[in-house]
Amino acid sequence: KQEVTQIPAALSVPEGENLVLNCSFTDSAIYNLQWFRQDPGKGLTSLLLIQSSQREQTSGRLNASLDKSSGRSTLYIAASQPGDSATYLCAARNSGNTPLVFGKGTRLSVIA
Amino acid sequence: DAGVIQSPRHEVTEMGQEVTLRCKPISGHNSLFWYRQTMMRGLELLIYFNNNVPIDDSGMPEDRFSAKMPNASFSTLKIQPSEPRDSAVYFCASRKLAGELFFGEGSRLTVL
Repeated sequence: KQEVTQIPAALSVPEGENLVLNCSFTDSAIYNLQWFRQDPGKGLTSLLLIQSSQREQTSGRLNASLDKSSGRSTLYIAASQPGDSATYLCAARNSGNTPLVFGKGTRLSVIA
Repeated sequence: DAGVIQSPRHEVTEMGQEVTLRCKPISGHNSLFWYRQTMMRGLELLIYFNNNVPIDDSGMPEDRFSAKMPNASFSTLKIQPSEPRDSAVYFCASRKLAGELFFGEGSRLTVL
């Protein structure tokens, strides 16, 4: 059974810093992995989707990597801004038909 | 492009009352998911449908919970009778079978 873990649960950084959020999963036979952002009181917004055949995906200041052999994914945020403050969730699934399994998220605060 | 649409956004009700939450998935998506989010347990999958057929309802906490998807553009999650411990944010999400998952804004339920 797939399990997804995100450490740390909370992170606070000064504005402008580059940062990495970590995600680990127990079953390396994943189909794809998705990173989401959630603002307080809002739904989850998809940031990046990485297929199992890919090593990374980029969108603007965000870069997500996938290492199946070690069961890890990272979300890199360049030049962080206060507007990046949110909870970031990682989720993995093992086939095209199955649901995503979510981590509990990392709550990021970027201090101006 | 309209996203996943959920209603109501907020519901306050008294213990014992019936609650119905509604979801309209993104047109063309053939998988639909109902999640519940609380501070204590994070995001939990309740049930999901592929092509309007319920595939896995093992996350539905009790018989008081039921979900239907009568057609490709509509789903309901019903709680009858409701209890205070059902208070949470309920999210609906949809995707094409092997694609990216998109969430609605959620329905915040408070049971007094």
